Amino acid sequence: GAGVSQTPSNKVTEKGKYVELRCDPISGHTALYWYRQSLGQGPEFLIYFQGTGAADDSGLPNDRFFAVRPEGSVSTLKIQRTERGDSAVYLCASSLNAAGGASDTQYFGPGTRLTVL
Amino acid sequence: GQSLEQPSEVTAVEGAIVQINCTYQTSGFYGLSWYQQHDGGAPTFLSYNALDGLEETGRFSSFLSRSDSYGYLLLQELQMKDSASYFCAVPNSGGYQKVTFGTGTKLQVIP
Repeated sequence: GAGVSQTPSNKVTEKGKYVELRCDPISGHTALYWYRQSLGQGPEFLIYFQGTGAADDSGLPNDRFFAVRPEGSVSTLKIQRTERGDSAVYLCASSLNAAGGASDTQYFGPGTRLTVL
Repeated sequence: GQSLEQPSEVTAVEGAIVQINCTYQTSGFYGLSWYQQHDGGAPTFLSYNALDGLEETGRFSSFLSRSDSYGYLLLQELQMKDSASYFCAVPNSGGYQKVTFGTGTKLQVIP
């Protein structure tokens, strides 16, 4: 597609449930990023993929959070045993190759708004 | 670690000029980026400064002073559609892999 897409756009779940959030990056972009944004705050880095591998997952808050990108394109962010504090907008971004320079401009998707009741 | 400070809110009149400041503290510095985000929308890249000085892109300009750990975004000929949040951001390494964003400045353009 023309841009980064994320599904679902909204997800409401109950505390303790498992959720999966999907990201379709721009075709041909090898780098993919997940961020979390709380109301009134800037995006907070979670994890970065270069191809199929997670090159930096230092932003994942704990082991309830996990992300995969098995074929180097679509990525899924998985959250187990959700807590109310997980409520936020989860943003995905992709860039051409993350090698540095102008080609690494990150293009963001519209986000998934997660609400944990 | 990385930290960036921005004013939380700015109000300006349509047609005027507004400057949004950003001061940063980083363990290593590779450049300063600016993003625009409308309510409910995705952040959109505006500019990137790796070197000192002013970069101009249409109505928007961005300035960097590495010696002062300071930058700003300048918006000219303000339009109502410029009402949005603006974030400064720094990459944590030589690439863009892990980017730290500021808390954002909410710009309101009034008639």
